[in-house]
Amino acid sequence: DGGITQSPKYLFRKEGQNVTLSCEQNLNHDAMYWYRQDPGQGLRLIYYSQIVNDFQKGDIAEGYSVSREKKESFPLTVTSAQKNPTAFYLCASSIVRRSNQPQHFGDGTRLSIL
Amino acid sequence: SQQGEEDPQALSIQEGENATMNCSYKTSINNLQWYRQNSGRGLVHLILIRSNEREKHSGRLRVTLDTSKKSSSLLITASRAADTASYFCATDAEWDQGGSEKLVFGKGTKLTVNP
Repeated sequence: DGGITQSPKYLFRKEGQNVTLSCEQNLNHDAMYWYRQDPGQGLRLIYYSQIVNDFQKGDIAEGYSVSREKKESFPLTVTSAQKNPTAFYLCASSIVRRSNQPQHFGDGTRLSIL
Repeated sequence: SQQGEEDPQALSIQEGENATMNCSYKTSINNLQWYRQNSGRGLVHLILIRSNEREKHSGRLRVTLDTSKKSSSLLITASRAADTASYFCATDAEWDQGGSEKLVFGKGTKLTVNP
């Protein structure tokens, strides 16, 4: 079945450490997204990519970095510059980046600070 | 901000009852989407309604859109315990620096259906 796979499901970060969250899709979608969700809050866009080798900052990109070397993969690195990284991170994809296209989500990675 | 706002924040009903959730937004939109999120899981797309549509159905779901009031509602009929989840609306009409449409999510309505 086609879908989006995020790993790991739980991740712990030490002070000063960078950690990378994996996101893989086999839907053949061009657009991919990373969102951050805090308790009781909506989703906030961190980064998005409309096509391979291209990505753009979202609303809260500071302290995060991404790459898009393959169509299927869009990993997110939470750097030590992100001072409040504890959150639920969701990866999504859509056929193209248009508002008339539904987004398909993975099951998230919960990041906590040790 | 263009962000849609869901109302109520939380809703608790008995199995078999109908559940209605509302979404209000501030500026004109092209499309509005509804998503469901089970606890600890990702979002699942439910329905997309375009600005020229007034109502859409999908199984036990009915979505209405009133562009004059800048609001949408999601009705779940004959609710089941399995409908327990958070429901989010997502609206467009914001543009990023690259000129692409942005999808902005509200904070959601937490629905609890009691057996």
